[in-house]
Amino acid sequence: GENVEQHPSTLSVQEGDSAVIKCTYSDSASNYFPWYKQELGKGPQLIIDIRSNVGEKKDQRIAVTLNKTAKHFSLHITETQPEDSAVYFCAATASGYSTLTFGKGTMLLVSP
Amino acid sequence: DSGVTQTPKHLITATGQRVTLRCSPRSGDLSVYWYQQSLDQGLQFLIQYYNGEERAKGNILERFSAQQFPDLHSELNLSSLELGDSALYFCASSLGGSKNTEAFFGQGTRLTVV
Repeated sequence: GENVEQHPSTLSVQEGDSAVIKCTYSDSASNYFPWYKQELGKGPQLIIDIRSNVGEKKDQRIAVTLNKTAKHFSLHITETQPEDSAVYFCAATASGYSTLTFGKGTMLLVSP
Repeated sequence: DSGVTQTPKHLITATGQRVTLRCSPRSGDLSVYWYQQSLDQGLQFLIQYYNGEERAKGNILERFSAQQFPDLHSELNLSSLELGDSALYFCASSLGGSKNTEAFFGQGTRLTVV
């Protein structure tokens, strides 16, 4: 089955800095890679996703890149704000019939 | 609001008991996933249903079972509860099918076993 590794497990940045979270996956059949943000006491919220037919996708301060050859994808957050502080999870799946496999999460702390 | 509804939000029960967690997926979604999140742990996949049929099974204990009903809501049954079963249980739903679509999570049920 699919295995997703996520690094780092914790990340502390100053407000205004950029943050990068990296994930690798094992199943070459995986073609959909979502990112979720989980705030304390809440369910994970989808913030951006990318499919295997594109290499990069941006949404305001958030971007995701995908390297299918190397089987890794990354989340980039620019101009970080304290409200970006949360746990971020990457995930991968091969199809809508398949399991959505998650990384272990990255706790991002943005200090004012 | 993701559109996925989980009840109850909180549940406190004793060891050895049985509980049922309920999930109503977003309107139109056929696929339902159940995940367990323990303290300082990631999201552990338990089981997936698609249009009433079991599609995938993760590290789900034999004491746990689930089903998806004709109206597409799903229930996760946890029996012979142990202290270690205390966790957040999340349900997620997606359109499912051959094309990947976004999965949306409910707010979770926090289970405390005492």
